Amino acid sequence: SYELAQPPSVSVSPGQTARITCSGDALPTKYAYWYQQKSGQAPVLVIYEDSKRPSGITERFSGSSSGTTATLTITGAQVQDEADYYCYSTDSSDRVFGGGTKLTVL
Amino acid sequence: EVQLVESGGNLVQPGGSLRLSCVASGFNFSTYWMTWVRQAPGKGLEWVANIKEDGTEKHYVDSVKGRFTISRDNAEKSLYLHMNSLRADDTALYYCASGYCTNVRCYSSPENWGQGTLVTVSS
Repeated sequence: SYELAQPPSVSVSPGQTARITCSGDALPTKYAYWYQQKSGQAPVLVIYEDSKRPSGITERFSGSSSGTTATLTITGAQVQDEADYYCYSTDSSDRVFGGGTKLTVL
Repeated sequence: EVQLVESGGNLVQPGGSLRLSCVASGFNFSTYWMTWVRQAPGKGLEWVANIKEDGTEKHYVDSVKGRFTISRDNAEKSLYLHMNSLRADDTALYYCASGYCTNVRCYSSPENWGQGTLVTVSS
């Protein structure tokens, strides 16, 4: 079955740039999506189709994809960006989430 | 405003059955793919099943094939997940999520999410 690999944790200081990666063999031909989940809350879509931002999502969030790796970048990370982040994508038959990355901003 | 409200979660014994519901409002339900995603306590997100806007196409994660059935009633703007032969590892918060559409086509990837309904499988 298809798998997406994410680092378990990323830590940055406030104001720094945080980068969270997602690796998957089908990413060269399939879109990546990114979700933010704060403690006790439902996930929120922050990036779709590799690099597009839904309305209402701050410009500090951006996405890119190259080869088998998609990257979520949070520029000028703030304390309120602390959350779990999940990538999502598909291959020919599977629809999967990555294992999630806990972002710590302190 | 898009709203998705799940219900039906409960404590059930292993081998038991349950039906989850999700009522949608604020968007044209009948034109969107719908998805169930679950999250076991303290764990990550797991995609469970999805259904095309007209119900003609359904997909399931391998671990629930033959036990779970996804369905929808577009007239009632409702999504369902019928769960049979429940196991302890089905214990999770179950989220309902809608797909999205661009000017070109519609996609099944989740955009809007409900708050979830908790299913606990235990004796």
